[in-house]
Amino acid sequence: GAVVSQHPSWVICKSGTSVKIECRSLDFQATTMFWYRQFPKKSLMLMATSNEGSKATYEQGVEKDKFLINHASLTLSTLTVTSAHPEDSSFYICSARWSDQETQYFGPGTRLLVL
Amino acid sequence: EDQVTQSPEALRLQEGESSSLNCSYTVSGLRGLFWYRQDPGKGPEFLFTLYSAGEEKEKERLKATLTKKESFLHITAPKPEDSATYLCAVVYGQNFVFGPGTRLSVLP
Repeated sequence: GAVVSQHPSWVICKSGTSVKIECRSLDFQATTMFWYRQFPKKSLMLMATSNEGSKATYEQGVEKDKFLINHASLTLSTLTVTSAHPEDSSFYICSARWSDQETQYFGPGTRLLVL
Repeated sequence: EDQVTQSPEALRLQEGESSSLNCSYTVSGLRGLFWYRQDPGKGPEFLFTLYSAGEEKEKERLKATLTKKESFLHITAPKPEDSATYLCAVVYGQNFVFGPGTRLSVLP
């Protein structure tokens, strides 16, 4: 149980384009989803927290207009990297949990390369 | 200052050589401590959740323990497939914070 998927697993795009990453909870209803960014050989850095039907809460230093998050249903959250630039290249990982649980279950991650 | 640290940063073991990884935390109002395993290029895989001092959990060759200041992940007779980065994370208040991780290599 507690399976979280991400799509795509790999994306290459040109500078200036927008990229959408999907995160789905496959076997539970995720009241809260999280988006993380991870640099090589570093730990996960929380970008934002989203609750279903509400606006996302962004961590300090994360541009909300750059990283658009939508959590429209209890099984789907999306992260859109707008006007991507090479410095946005990274490994993006989502996680999800259900209402009264603290444990987060993570997706397999999406590697973004902006040329 | 609230902090989560892990030691050692990297650990190399021979197959069968048992050892422990440490996660130390200085946070107020701990609500839970988590251990994850992360393989290169993949998302973290959930291992354990510990909620209170004295709690222990086991899964195959892994055993996690928790005190008021730290948690240990004991690895008994590790195999090469146990090689990975092991991350701990703590939840307190509205915060969910990861430690920097321990990179474990188990040599055959």
